[in-house]
Amino acid sequence: SSELTQDPAVSVALGQTVRITCQGDSLRSYYASWYQQKPGQAPVLVIYGKNNRPSGIPDRFSGSSSGNTASLTITGAQAEDEADYYCNSRDSSGNHPLFGGGTKLTVL
Amino acid sequence: EVQLVESGGGLVQPGGSLRLSCAASGFTFSSYWMSWVRQAPGKGLEWVANIKQDGSEKYYVDSVKGRFTISRDNAKNSLYLQMNSLRAEDTAVYYCAREVYDFWSGYPLDYWGQGTLVTVSS
Repeated sequence: SSELTQDPAVSVALGQTVRITCQGDSLRSYYASWYQQKPGQAPVLVIYGKNNRPSGIPDRFSGSSSGNTASLTITGAQAEDEADYYCNSRDSSGNHPLFGGGTKLTVL
Repeated sequence: EVQLVESGGGLVQPGGSLRLSCAASGFTFSSYWMSWVRQAPGKGLEWVANIKQDGSEKYYVDSVKGRFTISRDNAKNSLYLQMNSLRAEDTAVYYCAREVYDFWSGYPLDYWGQGTLVTVSS
């Protein structure tokens, strides 16, 4: 098996740029996906693959990766971006998903 | 429109059983891997199990192996999770999610249901 590690909490001033990171050995082999989850709601996919956004996701969300670290960047954070963010990749066997512990983003 | 609707959650005593269902619509269900993901109260997401399109491959997180069984009925566009020997630590919201089985996409879970709450308590 393997693990994905995220910072538990990050804050950003309104309108500023924030980067949320995810570290793990599996990220050397697989792209990361990122999910936004607001209280009482199901997770929503915001970034997948090299740097792809599903339809309806604002272009202020972007993804990148280097070595064993994947990053989600929000450029010009909005109040509605305050949420929990989870990274997701593949287990080292390649057979199933693996999630990071999540990062709580606060927009000040 | 893709929809995933879970049902079957509820309160169950430790050692009891429960069967969750997920009704899929708006896409060709038989063409996708599917997963169950859970979230304990106040905690993060934990993948539980997944199943290949034809049901020939199934994988489980270690903590549920031998107790949970994932299955699907493509004719009914439905995914199931049979949960036996339930423990307090299985208490969580259980989500079904569609997997995009593609390396270049990073195997994302692109659609999720609203979740069903399972509470294991005496």
